[in-house]
Amino acid sequence: GNSVTQMEGPVTLSEEAFLTINCTYTATGYPSLFWYVQYPGEGLQLLLKATKADDKGSNKGFEATYRKETTSFHLEKGSVQVSDSAVYFCALSDNYGQNFVFGPGTRLSVLP
Amino acid sequence: GAVVSQHPSWVICKSGTSVKIECRSLDFQATTMFWYRQFPKQSLMLMATSNEGSKATYEQGVEKDKFLINHASLTLSTLTVTSAHPEDSSFYICSASIGIHSNQPQHFGDGTRLSIL
Repeated sequence: GNSVTQMEGPVTLSEEAFLTINCTYTATGYPSLFWYVQYPGEGLQLLLKATKADDKGSNKGFEATYRKETTSFHLEKGSVQVSDSAVYFCALSDNYGQNFVFGPGTRLSVLP
Repeated sequence: GAVVSQHPSWVICKSGTSVKIECRSLDFQATTMFWYRQFPKQSLMLMATSNEGSKATYEQGVEKDKFLINHASLTLSTLTVTSAHPEDSSFYICSASIGIHSNQPQHFGDGTRLSIL
């Protein structure tokens, strides 16, 4: 079945550091890929998405490129802020928008 | 757009009580809603998929008689935890899909933290 693997956290960075959170997936067909963010005590918010190979999703300075050849969707940000501290989930959905599969989440802490 | 409201946000109740959690899509019609459970510092575990007007589809290992799901309209789904016990304490999150195509993300409610004493 489909699966998503993320780098284990927690990840601790200083403010303005470069961020990479790795995400790889296993899926049949042509899944769509998503990054969700969960701030403490809250639900999940969609951060960005990509629906086909080589698409780049971007939002709030975060970017991720759908790489079919490496089955990856790594999340990057050039300069993190304390307010970016949260848990980040990589996810995919199948061809029909169903069967969402989430990665285990990566907790990011950004220190001032 | 695509706002999902979940209520209540926090519930504390005694063991044996039944608790109902509501999930509403405020500005769109959601033919499908999803219910997740999240344990501390863990990822989301899909409990069930709820389609409007039909019975929910439960994931393996989820007791359908324990977690009653009703999706009576295109904007409302409810999860009732029946005769809740301390082991049911968790963070429950609903989501709704705005469409059936794979490029449509799920939109999540803010979650309900359930604590059973």
